[in-house]
Amino acid sequence: SQTIHQWPATLVQPVGSPLSLECTVEGTSNPNLYWYRQAAGRGLQLLFYSVGIGQISSEVPQNLSASRPQDRQFILSSKKLLLSDSGFYLCAWSLGAGGDTQYFGPGTRLTVL
Amino acid sequence: AQTVTQSQPEMSVQEAETVTLSCTYDTSESDYYLFWYKQPPSRQMILVIRQEAYKQQNATENRFSVNFQKAAKSFSLKISDSQLGDAAMYFCAYRSLTGNQFYFGTGTSLTVIP
Repeated sequence: SQTIHQWPATLVQPVGSPLSLECTVEGTSNPNLYWYRQAAGRGLQLLFYSVGIGQISSEVPQNLSASRPQDRQFILSSKKLLLSDSGFYLCAWSLGAGGDTQYFGPGTRLTVL
Repeated sequence: AQTVTQSQPEMSVQEAETVTLSCTYDTSESDYYLFWYKQPPSRQMILVIRQEAYKQQNATENRFSVNFQKAAKSFSLKISDSQLGDAAMYFCAYRSLTGNQFYFGTGTSLTVIP
């Protein structure tokens, strides 16, 4: 069966510091991978998605970036965090063309102070 | 881009009663998938139910069922015999057969009253 991991679960960072959130998927090959951000009590905002190694689509221009160095690894990064980067970050995967359901990781709660 | 609308920001239901959450969507495609996800206080997103647009039969998963009206572009979720554990934020989502993106509604916060 497939599983998706995210770490860290919780992170508190000062403004201006760098960020690296990691997501890995097990039990499937060549998945589509997604990063979402969710503000408290709000909906999901798609940040990035990837259909393959090195292929990243950005949905929202901001100081965040994403990379996919391996087939089942997806990394969200920032060189300098802003207060507005605080939120709950969710990684998700789905099968590619012809696939349907999206499955989510447990999320990372990021607080920027 | 497709849009998904959940017009009920908050709903409440008495324990053991039935509640229906509404969702409408806008698309020009004929084949697609629709989903309901549940997000409890832990914030883990959990798939509740999915529906393929080409299937006329409404999907059912135990106490959860949908009313899929393709012509009206409506996809409501019915929760029967509501339980305290059903209290959560519920999101409706859409995916086309050929696309890679999922489109989510803004969510409905469901409170279950004991």
